[in-house]
Amino acid sequence: NAGVTQTPKFQVLKTGQSMTLQCAQDMNHNSMYWYRQDPGMGLRLIYYSASEGTTDKGEVPNGYNVSRLNKREFSLRLESAAPSQTSVYFCASTLGGKTEAFFGQGTRLTVV
Amino acid sequence: AQSVTQPDIHITVSEGASLELRCNYSYGATPYLFWYVQSPGQGLQLLLKYFSGDTLVQGIKGFEAEFKRSQSSFNLRKPSVHWSDAAEYFCAVGPGTYKYIFGTGTRLKVLA
Repeated sequence: NAGVTQTPKFQVLKTGQSMTLQCAQDMNHNSMYWYRQDPGMGLRLIYYSASEGTTDKGEVPNGYNVSRLNKREFSLRLESAAPSQTSVYFCASTLGGKTEAFFGQGTRLTVV
Repeated sequence: AQSVTQPDIHITVSEGASLELRCNYSYGATPYLFWYVQSPGQGLQLLLKYFSGDTLVQGIKGFEAEFKRSQSSFNLRKPSVHWSDAAEYFCAVGPGTYKYIFGTGTRLKVLA
């Protein structure tokens, strides 16, 4: 089982460039999440999708957009990258209810 | 507001010594509590979870945690630490309206 798969694993962008981080899960989970991880700040929720067809803002949504393409896929888009968006991004999914989150391996993004 | 506090940013222990990582939470309802471990360059792996019932829960890799409602705590313990336990550990609470809240993490260093 692949679990949660994120692509790419590493990316360097120039300020102002755009890109989309891809996430797919094969566990038939209902809810999906995008987090960013910065030193000393733990994981902060950017956006989440409670179920297919819905998306909601998390703690730090500014500068990002998301698309829940179908039940399996949840993408994160940076329209105009800024150095402050340099971070490690994690996608996660849950079945819903009393269940734990499963995480991808992360995307390390550097904006120069 | 919901929050998770991990008061120790770094902890260093000798191999074979016991370990306790602290976690305090603030949550309006009965919390679902989790401990995750992150090895360098990896995603987060679930160590254990508490939903209800016995307040002492066992996890993988010999870890256990105890839920203490009166102290709003969910501390992680291991009787004898192995060098391979060196990693970063995250406590989390949720899901509240589908959101999981993570602490800022505790980085464990193990001395040979």
